[in-house]
Amino acid sequence: SQTIHQWPATLVQPVGSPLSLECTVEGTSNPNLYWYRQAAGRGLQLLFYSVGIGQISSEVPQNLSASRPQDRQFILSSKKLLLSDSGFYLCAWTAYTEAFFGQGTRLTVV
Amino acid sequence: GQQLNQSPQSMFIQEGEDVSMNCTSSSIFNTWLWYKQDPGEGPVLLIALYKAGELTSNGRLTAQFGITRKDSFLNISASIPSDVGIYFCAGQLSGTASKLTFGTGTRLQVTL
Repeated sequence: SQTIHQWPATLVQPVGSPLSLECTVEGTSNPNLYWYRQAAGRGLQLLFYSVGIGQISSEVPQNLSASRPQDRQFILSSKKLLLSDSGFYLCAWTAYTEAFFGQGTRLTVV
Repeated sequence: GQQLNQSPQSMFIQEGEDVSMNCTSSSIFNTWLWYKQDPGEGPVLLIALYKAGELTSNGRLTAQFGITRKDSFLNISASIPSDVGIYFCAGQLSGTASKLTFGTGTRLQVTL
């Protein structure tokens, strides 16, 4: 069966520090991969999606970037975090239409 | 970007009551999905709908794909405390093979 791993679960980072969140999927090949951000009590905002290695589409201009160095690995990064980058970050994968989510990373920028 | 209008935003109900929430859009969707998110967790898929008019149940949950393909509803019967959470609809727009659009969520609170 397919599983998705996302880490770390929580992260507190100072303003201006770099960020790297990692997501890996097991049990499937060539998945579509996604990064979402969720502000407290709000909906899901799609940040990036990828349909293959090295293929990244950005949905909103922002301080973040994404990379897909391997088929089942998706990384969310920032060179310098802003206070507004705080939120709950979710990785997801799809094979066809149904999306399956990781457990999320709660990022607090202080 | 494309928005799904989900209502109500929040609901406070008593245990045992039935719940109904819906999503509407001005665009046609090929697929409708309903998710539940517990606090601090990722959303979990509840029901997937693939055809206009389709009515699908999962235990106490029932969802329907609107005949116009522009809406969907989710019903929860005989609510229990563990139904508490945020419910999201999501849809795949016609012509967008890779992306899901999510609704704004319905926050459900159940009181004893």
